[in-house]
Amino acid sequence: DAKTTQPNSMESNEEEPVHLPCNHSTISGTDYIHWYRQLPSQGPEYVIHGLTSNVNNRMASLAIAEDRKSSTLILHRATLRDAAVYYCILRDVNSGNTPLVFGKGTRLSVIA
Amino acid sequence: DVKVTQSSRYLVKRTGEKVFLECVQDMDHENMFWYRQDPGLGLRLIYFSYDVKMKEKGDIPEGYSVSREKKERFSLILESASTNQTSMYLCASSVSRDRVFQPQHFGDGTRLSIL
Repeated sequence: DAKTTQPNSMESNEEEPVHLPCNHSTISGTDYIHWYRQLPSQGPEYVIHGLTSNVNNRMASLAIAEDRKSSTLILHRATLRDAAVYYCILRDVNSGNTPLVFGKGTRLSVIA
Repeated sequence: DVKVTQSSRYLVKRTGEKVFLECVQDMDHENMFWYRQDPGLGLRLIYFSYDVKMKEKGDIPEGYSVSREKKERFSLILESASTNQTSMYLCASSVSRDRVFQPQHFGDGTRLSIL
């Protein structure tokens, strides 16, 4: 799977939008972009995924650059419960169910 | 909702002991995984299994073995525990490879201390 680059940490105020960036300049045409997050004292949980088009679900939105070399996870209104480590992971559509490979992720702090 | 249950949240064992970490999932998933998580190193894959009685080595299998006798249960075994195996251990599961997309579902982890 291709490599991703994320900032080590970010900070946000509660109730404000948060944009978490991810660079993946070597992404291939068959790589999906996945986001997981890990809340304190819990295992990682799936957040969202996409290929080319922007995606929305109840947890977040995923904005994908036109050239697909970067993407942004958007939390529309950060809450204290969103404080977590966020992982951006690329997975080839043909990788089947091979295990996820986690990078260091971005530690998001939310300030009340 | 998928439930992945790890038998213990916290565990303290002694050097040289044989340690069993148990993981059970309730969604009939074919695939199960064991990771360990250490500060500064992130999550690293130890072993995984695509089916009953099948196992594959991950990135750091040394010092560990696994057992998958039933579909819902995947056990991680530390044959002779050492202090460098003190870590957070995370189990995960997912559905079969026939699906285009299948998220991995994680348990809440077992924090293991080897004294």
